[in-house]
Amino acid sequence: DAGITQSPRYKITETGRQVTLMCHQTWSHSYMFWYRQDLGHGLRLIYYSAAADITDKGEVPDGYVVSRSKTENFPLTLESATRSQTSVYFCASSNSRGSYEQYFGPGTRLTVT
Amino acid sequence: QQPVQSPQAVILREGEDAVINCSSSKALYSVHWYRQKHGEAPVFLMILLKGGEQKGHDKISASFNEKKQQSSLYLTASQLSYSGTYFCGTVMDSNYQLIWGAGTKLIIKP
Repeated sequence: DAGITQSPRYKITETGRQVTLMCHQTWSHSYMFWYRQDLGHGLRLIYYSAAADITDKGEVPDGYVVSRSKTENFPLTLESATRSQTSVYFCASSNSRGSYEQYFGPGTRLTVT
Repeated sequence: QQPVQSPQAVILREGEDAVINCSSSKALYSVHWYRQKHGEAPVFLMILLKGGEQKGHDKISASFNEKKQQSSLYLTASQLSYSGTYFCGTVMDSNYQLIWGAGTKLIIKP
């Protein structure tokens, strides 16, 4: 199906474990973004990518790693999960950084115990 | 540099009107509006670009005052489906990323 999907939708993990959140889009959008959303903070940009093999840090990148070997995929890895990384993670895609609308995936609710 | 949204929350009766504001201390290239329902992803409503261009849904009305760096979203004759949190996002330059406001929670009562 066309669109942007995220997996898993829900994840519980322990402190110190590595976790990878997946994001896949079928529109061939050049830009992809990872956000975290915490109560009272709105959306905060973690990393973004302008194209395959081009990634850059956002507002809150510490503790996260991204890669983009293919245009359609943009996985986010928490190398050693901490409780402060408990959040809802949204992936989004767009044809630009700021001139066009962003399309969001359904989100992944991550709990770190 | 985060845009400031006001009010933080508003409660309306169905059929009433509401205005949500978004302001920035920096010169803006564009303002974006999104709505997020509880437990769902944000959904695009409108983009207002410097120079007057607008892109978005026909039923959504918004303005962008370039001199004041302020945008307002107008919700008229509100329906129950309008409930949710409204986020504005601002872009200072076409090559810059979107910076999101903290959101305005809108509750519509029957």
